[in-house]
Amino acid sequence: AQSVTQPDIHITVSEGASLELRCNYSYGATPYLFWYVQSPGQGLQLLLKYFSGDTLVQGIKGFEAEFKRSQSSFNLRKPSVHWSDAAEYFCAVGARAGGSYIPTFGRGTSLIVHP
Amino acid sequence: DVKVTQSSRYLVKRTGEKVFLECVQDMDHENMFWYRQDPGLGLRLIYFSYDVKMKEKGDIPEGYSVSREKKERFSLILESASTNQTSMYLCASRIAGAGARNIQYFGAGTRLSVL
Repeated sequence: AQSVTQPDIHITVSEGASLELRCNYSYGATPYLFWYVQSPGQGLQLLLKYFSGDTLVQGIKGFEAEFKRSQSSFNLRKPSVHWSDAAEYFCAVGARAGGSYIPTFGRGTSLIVHP
Repeated sequence: DVKVTQSSRYLVKRTGEKVFLECVQDMDHENMFWYRQDPGLGLRLIYFSYDVKMKEKGDIPEGYSVSREKKERFSLILESASTNQTSMYLCASRIAGAGARNIQYFGAGTRLSVL
């Protein structure tokens, strides 16, 4: 079965600083990978996804992520963080489990942005 | 835009009550999901529905049931609410067909408190 690890429960950055949120997955084949963001009091919104091809993917709001098969990682990055980026970030892997494709989510990383 | 609507943002119920959480999507998606979100635990899948009248247990189905009589509506039922079911509940939907490649669309969530 697949699994996702987000090692950092909380990350604190200053506004304007760069950001990297870590995500490691476990799956025997090529996974489908997602990053979602959850603003306070809201549901989850897709930031970006990786299915195949170019391992560096661009998403909304200036985010990007890089798939590294050798490290089983899919880290999320942003060169300059804005105060509005403060939110909960979830990495997910979509892989076949039995007869279904059921996404598995990490436990989330809470991003705190200092002015 | 896809819209997933959860009927209540906040609910307060008493222990032992039967509770219905409703979710409606407007994009004719075959698949619908109910998740429970707790701090530090991320999203955990309660139930998944492939299509009308079809359902599959997720990781934590105990104490819950679901109903999918119409394609657009997926209901989560707490047969006898308990305090340990106090949580945020998220509904999601997605197109079937290409399996895990398809993106999930989430509702804003229902925060349930069981007293």
